[in-house]
Amino acid sequence: AQSVTQLGSHVSVSEGALVLLRCNYSSSVPPYLFWYVQYPNQGLQLLLKYTTGATLVKGINGFEAEFKKSETSFHLTKPSAHMSDAAEYFCAVTFTGGGNKLTFGTGTQLKVEL
Amino acid sequence: DTGVSQNPRHKITKRGQNVTFRCDPISEHNRLYWYRQTLGQGPEFLTYFQNEAQLEKSRLLSDRFSAERPKGSFSTLEIQRTEQGDSAMYLCASTEETTGAPNSPLHFGNGTRLTVT
Repeated sequence: AQSVTQLGSHVSVSEGALVLLRCNYSSSVPPYLFWYVQYPNQGLQLLLKYTTGATLVKGINGFEAEFKKSETSFHLTKPSAHMSDAAEYFCAVTFTGGGNKLTFGTGTQLKVEL
Repeated sequence: DTGVSQNPRHKITKRGQNVTFRCDPISEHNRLYWYRQTLGQGPEFLTYFQNEAQLEKSRLLSDRFSAERPKGSFSTLEIQRTEQGDSAMYLCASTEETTGAPNSPLHFGNGTRLTVT
């Protein structure tokens, strides 16, 4: 079975500071990893995905994530936080042959302060 | 591409009543998924369809829940005899699955928020 653990249910940063949201996965087969963002009362929007190939993936809104197999991690970063980044972020995992079903983490609420 | 559409956005019902939600996926997408999200949790998989065939149902989907996707287009999720524990956001997502590898991400609708009183 696959699982995702997101460390820190709430993260607070100052505007302009580095954003680091942590995600560790567990999978017995090569994983496909995703980060989604959710704004209040809305659905989930894809930020970025790792399938195969380059381990550093860039997404929308200046976010990027690095797949580290040795650490079973897929942390999300952004060099400089903006007020509009305040939202909930979800890491998710799936695998080939899994029906494209995503298993989500419990989410990290990002707060950006002036 | 008009995105995934879900209706209604909000539904308040009394315990014991039946409710039905509708999802219209992106038109060329052959796969459609239903997820449930409770407060402070990530979405949990309920069921999914490839075209009109329901391929998998989660153990979370009790016998009070039924989903359909007639003609492989829109889908409905019905909850019979609602309970307070059914209160959640119900999310629909779609994707185009062609190769067996999950290269195409899921596109989510804005959800239907159900409140059972």
